[in-house]
Amino acid sequence: GQNIDQPTEMTATEGAIVQINCTYQTSGFNGLFWYQQHAGEAPTFLSYNVLDGLEEKGRFSSFLSRSKGYSYLLLKELQMKDSASYLCAVMDSNYQLIWGAGTKLIIKP
Amino acid sequence: DTAVSQTPKYLVTQMGNDKSIKCEQNLGHDTMYWYKQDSKKFLKIMFSYNNKELIINETVPNRFSPKSPDKAHLNLHINSLELGDSAVYFCASSQDLQGASLETQYFGPGTRLLVL
Repeated sequence: GQNIDQPTEMTATEGAIVQINCTYQTSGFNGLFWYQQHAGEAPTFLSYNVLDGLEEKGRFSSFLSRSKGYSYLLLKELQMKDSASYLCAVMDSNYQLIWGAGTKLIIKP
Repeated sequence: DTAVSQTPKYLVTQMGNDKSIKCEQNLGHDTMYWYKQDSKKFLKIMFSYNNKELIINETVPNRFSPKSPDKAHLNLHINSLELGDSAVYFCASSQDLQGASLETQYFGPGTRLLVL
């Protein structure tokens, strides 16, 4: 079966750094996505990795290791507005997105 | 300008009724999707349409039927609503189903369906 695993909830402090991990087992791989979803809102795209390595975009970075079936999303200089759920999704060999359940990130002052 | 729009935003209805949710995208994308997000926050794909053809049809009940009058619209019709249909339904679109370039899905604001 296909499976995406990520922690259910994480807590971090404003101004700090947090790393959200995602492991996956899918039939084929055509890229890994990270989405942010604030409560009651639609998911919004954050990053896309298809090759191994780190992709940096401002305060957010995403890392991929295809051999390990592993990715992480790194958030730096945390702000209160970063409190949200972060969804990991993998595109399989049929170009279908398989979604994780999301990690709820709570930012404390 | 709204990229992907859905109507209605909220829908409260009785069990057994038939309802429709509309979706429109003004991005010129070729592929549109319907997702169901349940109370556990899992996003499950229900349908995707590419150039007016259904290309993925997950194991959803046949009470759910997508209808695409044109490339910019993908509506979701639900017959004989059941309590378990209560969820948030998201419409999304992408440039294409596959390709060498970055494929991202742009989501609509969601329709919160409550079946009583």
